[in-house]
Amino acid sequence: DGGITQSPKYLFRKEGQNVTLSCEQNLNHDAMYWYRQDPGQGLRLIYYSQIVNDFQKGDIAEGYSVSREKKESFPLTVTSAQKNPTAFYLCASSMGTSGGLYGGYNEQFFGPGTRLTVL
Amino acid sequence: AQTVTQSQPEMSVQEAETVTLSCTYDTSESDYYLFWYKQPPSRQMILVIRQEAYKQQNATENRFSVNFQKAAKSFSLKISDSQLGDAAMYFCAYHPGGFKTIFGAGTRLFVKA
Repeated sequence: DGGITQSPKYLFRKEGQNVTLSCEQNLNHDAMYWYRQDPGQGLRLIYYSQIVNDFQKGDIAEGYSVSREKKESFPLTVTSAQKNPTAFYLCASSMGTSGGLYGGYNEQFFGPGTRLTVL
Repeated sequence: AQTVTQSQPEMSVQEAETVTLSCTYDTSESDYYLFWYKQPPSRQMILVIRQEAYKQQNATENRFSVNFQKAAKSFSLKISDSQLGDAAMYFCAYHPGGFKTIFGAGTRLFVKA
């Protein structure tokens, strides 16, 4: 079955440690995204990638880093510079980024998420 | 700035009845997409319904329909014949194209048996 997997489901981190969240998709999608979800807030974009070896910062990229060495994989590293990392992290992918009215819309498919807790 | 506002943090509905979730947004764009996503307790985000701004006709997907008022920048979701499985967080989202999607804070829907 095609889809997006994220691992681990739960992750605990000590202060000062870097941790890496995994995101893999077998949908043959070019674009991938990382979102952060906090209680009482909607999803906020951390990073996105439109193609292999290319990625762009989203609205809240500080304290995070990503890589896109393979089309299927888009890991997110939460560094010690992220002061408030406890949150739910969602990965998504789409065929491409939407071209607006004339370019059509590419639906984003979401993974099951990773809950990160800082101890 | 483009924003999405969901003014109802929580809503409750009796099973088999109808409920409407509200959403307003702010944009100066004329072409965009609007979505409602469902996030059940499993936390898997599921696209419920999509509306293209250039279409006047309101989108419908089975028991889910929207009331899209472009001039008022309003995009409400109506769930008919509510079922226990409809209990979830619902997020309204605005997508102007490209990579950006702006989400509202969500409305938690409770369904009473």
